[in-house]
Amino acid sequence: EAQVTQNPRYLITVTGKKLTVTCSQNMNHEYMSWYRQDPGLGLRQIYYSMNVEVTDKGDVPEGYKVSRKEKRNFPLILESPSPNQTSLYFCASRARGGPSYGYTFGSGTRLTVV
Amino acid sequence: TQLLEQSPQFLSIQEGENLTVYCNSSSVFSSLQWYRQEPGEGPVLLVTVVTGGEVKKLKRLTFQFGDARKDSSLHITAAQPGDTGLYLCAGAGEGGGGNKLTFGTGTQLKVEL
Repeated sequence: EAQVTQNPRYLITVTGKKLTVTCSQNMNHEYMSWYRQDPGLGLRQIYYSMNVEVTDKGDVPEGYKVSRKEKRNFPLILESPSPNQTSLYFCASRARGGPSYGYTFGSGTRLTVV
Repeated sequence: TQLLEQSPQFLSIQEGENLTVYCNSSSVFSSLQWYRQEPGEGPVLLVTVVTGGEVKKLKRLTFQFGDARKDSSLHITAAQPGDTGLYLCAGAGEGGGGNKLTFGTGTQLKVEL
């Protein structure tokens, strides 16, 4: 089944403790992206990647890092999480061929930073 | 930064009613996508519209892209409880911004029996 898999689904952590949210897709998609979803603010892009070793900032990149060493994986790293990073996070991927190709989203990671 | 405003924010209707959700921006988009999101899940793509004035139908759902490619609408005919969910529009920027989707804040639809 074609899918984007995120782990973990739920995570509670303490301020300052480094964490990684993994994302993997099995569709051989070139483009991958991370979004956060907050009430009243909608989905906002954190980082995106157009291919292996090619990443760029989205609208809200502060406090996050990403890497794209392999085509299928696009982990999101929070080096020193803070409470304002409590949110619902989504990884998404799409094929190359223009923006008219829709994204396939993962099921989300609900992160709470205390 | 491109912004997309959706209206209404919330909509509660009875089964069988019709409804329209609007997605407006002052920016031009190369394409506009509509997604539906259910609780605990990621958004799922419903349709992509690319050409100004384009109309696409998906069973009881009709999507329209404005002539100037700045706005879009989603019309649902004879809504059913299964249509309940969060509807999101998302615009792809032109040129180099085409890799980024800007999402609207969403319309929460509830269809009751």
